[in-house]
Amino acid sequence: KQEVTQIPAALSVPEGENLVLNCSFTDSAIYNLQWFRQDPGKGLTSLLLIQSSQREQTSGRLNASLDKSSGRSTLYIAASQPGDSATYLCAVQLTDSWGKLQFGAGTQVVVTP
Amino acid sequence: NAGVTQTPKFQVLKTGQSMTLQCAQDMNHNSMYWYRQDPGMGLRLIYYSASEGTTDKGEVPNGYNVSRLNKREFSLRLESAAPSQTSVYFCASSDMGVSNQPQHFGDGTRLSIL
Repeated sequence: KQEVTQIPAALSVPEGENLVLNCSFTDSAIYNLQWFRQDPGKGLTSLLLIQSSQREQTSGRLNASLDKSSGRSTLYIAASQPGDSATYLCAVQLTDSWGKLQFGAGTQVVVTP
Repeated sequence: NAGVTQTPKFQVLKTGQSMTLQCAQDMNHNSMYWYRQDPGMGLRLIYYSASEGTTDKGEVPNGYNVSRLNKREFSLRLESAAPSQTSVYFCASSDMGVSNQPQHFGDGTRLSIL
């Protein structure tokens, strides 16, 4: 059974510092890995999707890497801002899974001014 | 563009009551999903519908039923609510016909069972 782990569970950084969020998974037979952002009381917003054949994906200040062999993905957020405060979740989609996602518990991020 | 719409946003039930959570998407997606989110546990899949006319169990289906009413709508029913079903419920959709597309989520239904 696929297990997805995110460490740390919570993180606080001063504004301007780079954020590094980690996600690990136990089964390397993934179709893709997705990073989401969740604001309090809201649903999930897709940030980045990395296909199994890719090593990284970038969007603005966000960069996500994928290493299937070691079962790890890292989300980098450059020059953090208070507006980046949210919970970040990673999820893996296994091959032949009809799109089903297996989620980590998330990392709660606070960026202080 | 509304995306995925869930109703109601909040609900309080007594143990043993029944209710149906509604979900509709306007993106012409063929696959829809119901998840629950509990503190410290991430999201867990309850049921999914790969395409109109099909439904299947996810990781935690006990105590729930679903109906894929048409391509747009996917409802989740609690027949006899229990306190363990207190949670935040999210509906999501994706287009499985297009590879590697992210899932789109609604804002959730916050359900309390007393």
